[in-house]
Amino acid sequence: NAGVTQTPKFQVLKTGQSMTLQCAQDMNHEYMSWYRQDPGMGLRLIHYSVGAGITDQGEVPNGYNVSRSTTEDFPLRLLSAAPSQTSVYFCASSYSSGGGNTIYFGEGSWLTVV
Amino acid sequence: AQSVTQLDSQVPVFEEAPVELRCNYSSSVSVYLFWYVQYPNQGLQLLLKYLSGSTLVESINGFEAEFNKSQTSFHLRKPSVHISDTAEYFCAVKEGGRALTFGSGTRLQVQP
Repeated sequence: NAGVTQTPKFQVLKTGQSMTLQCAQDMNHEYMSWYRQDPGMGLRLIHYSVGAGITDQGEVPNGYNVSRSTTEDFPLRLLSAAPSQTSVYFCASSYSSGGGNTIYFGEGSWLTVV
Repeated sequence: AQSVTQLDSQVPVFEEAPVELRCNYSSSVSVYLFWYVQYPNQGLQLLLKYLSGSTLVESINGFEAEFNKSQTSFHLRKPSVHISDTAEYFCAVKEGGRALTFGSGTRLQVQP
């Protein structure tokens, strides 16, 4: 059971380039989300989805797009990368958004924008 | 709105000593509380969680946390730490169907 899989693990981008961080889960979870982690700031929610075809913004959505065409996949797109988007990105999933369901995290994607 | 404060950014401690990592939360409704652990260059793993019932919750590796509603706290403790406990620990709060809100993290550094 792979859990939550993120690719790539490391990426260097030039300012203005675009890229997609991939996220897939094999647990049939309805709820998926993307967080970014910056030193001293914990994890901040970028976007989330409560099911296929449904997405919504989190705390820091600017500069990022998402879509959820299948239950398994939740890619995060950076349309025009900026140095402020240098961060570690985590994809997460859980059975549903309600209650105290455990949220499972991927291993992270380290992104550097130069 | 829910929020979490972790009062210590770093906690150095000697091996086999006790440790407490502090967490306070703010919320206007009932919440679920979590502690996650992050080892270097890895994702976050659930350590323990409080949903309801007994206010003292335990993990399989000797950590425990106590939910204190009056003080809005959920401090994490371990009576005797090991070198392998060196990691960053995140407290998180969740209101109902809302997303998790994380604290800024506490880096536990266990020294021999």
